[in-house]
Amino acid sequence: DGGITQSPKYLFRKEGQNVTLSCEQNLNHDAMYWYRQDPGQGLRLIYYSQIVNDFQKGDIAEGYSVSREKKESFPLTVTSAQKNPTAFYLCASSSYGQTSREAFFGQGTRLTVV
Amino acid sequence: GESVGLHLPTLSVQEGDNSIINCAYSNSASDYFIWYKQESGKGPQFIIDIRSNMDKRQGQRVTVLLNKTVKHLSLQIAATQPGDSAVYFCAESSGGSYIPTFGRGTSLIVHP
Repeated sequence: DGGITQSPKYLFRKEGQNVTLSCEQNLNHDAMYWYRQDPGQGLRLIYYSQIVNDFQKGDIAEGYSVSREKKESFPLTVTSAQKNPTAFYLCASSSYGQTSREAFFGQGTRLTVV
Repeated sequence: GESVGLHLPTLSVQEGDNSIINCAYSNSASDYFIWYKQESGKGPQFIIDIRSNMDKRQGQRVTVLLNKTVKHLSLQIAATQPGDSAVYFCAESSGGSYIPTFGRGTSLIVHP
């Protein structure tokens, strides 16, 4: 089945640790995105990538890093510089040049600082 | 900066009623809009989309209306069911940027 897979579903981080969230898609989409969602809030853009080996900061990139070495993969690292990382993280992908600009989402990773 | 926003954070309806969820946007360059449904603990799912050259689009039990004059978007759900209970987001993008920008969301609660 085509889609986006995020792992793990739940992740716990100790203070001062870096953690990496995985996002893989087999939809052959060029663009991939990472969003952060806090309780009762909308989705805020962290980073996005429109092509392999290139990515851009979103609205809240501080304390996060990404890589895009392969078209199908866009991992997000939450660094110790992110002071309030507890949130629900969503990865999405979309294809350019199509009739629809629909973004397809993974099922999310819930990160908790312990 | 320009943003997409929602008028009501929570909407409660009775099963069988019609629901209307509203969304205001401020980016005049926006030309594509999507409504998403997000169930608790899951990623958003596509419901319906509309381009700026249209005023109305219908799907199964859902209708999206676009009023470009006042920069307003609405989602109408007919005969609302308990399974429709979720948070609904509108998202917009412009031809210059395919990146979807999301509003705060509206929580729809359907009472049996």
